Amino acid sequence: EDKVVQSPLSLVVHEGDTVTLNCSYEVTNFRSLLWYKQEKKAPTFLFMLTSSGIEKKSGRLSSILDKKELFSILNITATQTGDSAIYLCAVPLLFTSGTYKYIFGTGTRLKVLA
Amino acid sequence: DAGVTQSPTHLIKTRGQHVTLRCSPISGHKSVSWYQQVLGQGPQFIFQYYEKEERGRGNFPDRFSARQFPNYSSELNVNALLLGDSALYLCASSLFGRASQETQYFGPGTRLLVL
Repeated sequence: EDKVVQSPLSLVVHEGDTVTLNCSYEVTNFRSLLWYKQEKKAPTFLFMLTSSGIEKKSGRLSSILDKKELFSILNITATQTGDSAIYLCAVPLLFTSGTYKYIFGTGTRLKVLA
Repeated sequence: DAGVTQSPTHLIKTRGQHVTLRCSPISGHKSVSWYQQVLGQGPQFIFQYYEKEERGRGNFPDRFSARQFPNYSSELNVNALLLGDSALYLCASSLFGRASQETQYFGPGTRLLVL
């Protein structure tokens, strides 16, 4: 069965800490993995990863994919209270029609204390 | 450019009632997907539409239905509401819904509470 598993489920840190969020997957015909940040309602896109070992970076956030070990990590350095959110990992699963759906993990709830 | 929009933002219904949720995709996007997110879980796929045709369906009962209009907006309908239908309903749009290297962009969701 195709699945995406995230860990930890929740995390509480202090401002300035560095955090690492994990996402492992078992998906048929893997093509890409995406990270989203969900603060109140709408998940907002962070990264799409398709190739192993190539780090994607945006400010204090970075992410990397390991297609051999079937996982990805999302790093946040020098955390701020505004980083408090649920971080979702998603993997597209292809339909025979050629379209696809996302399979999401349960998310990691990050809380950053001032 | 406006992002994905959804209406209403919140909704309270009682068991057995029917609900219609609406979504307008990003301009130029032709594919719309619907997801259900219950508290503490990741979003679960319900439907995908492209060019007004259903292209994918998740493991949801027939009480759930959807359609896409010529302007690519979409409606999600849920009949005979159950308490367990209480959730955040998210709409996502993408250009064609075909390439796995496309990104889906999500709307703010409709929070449905069934009493």
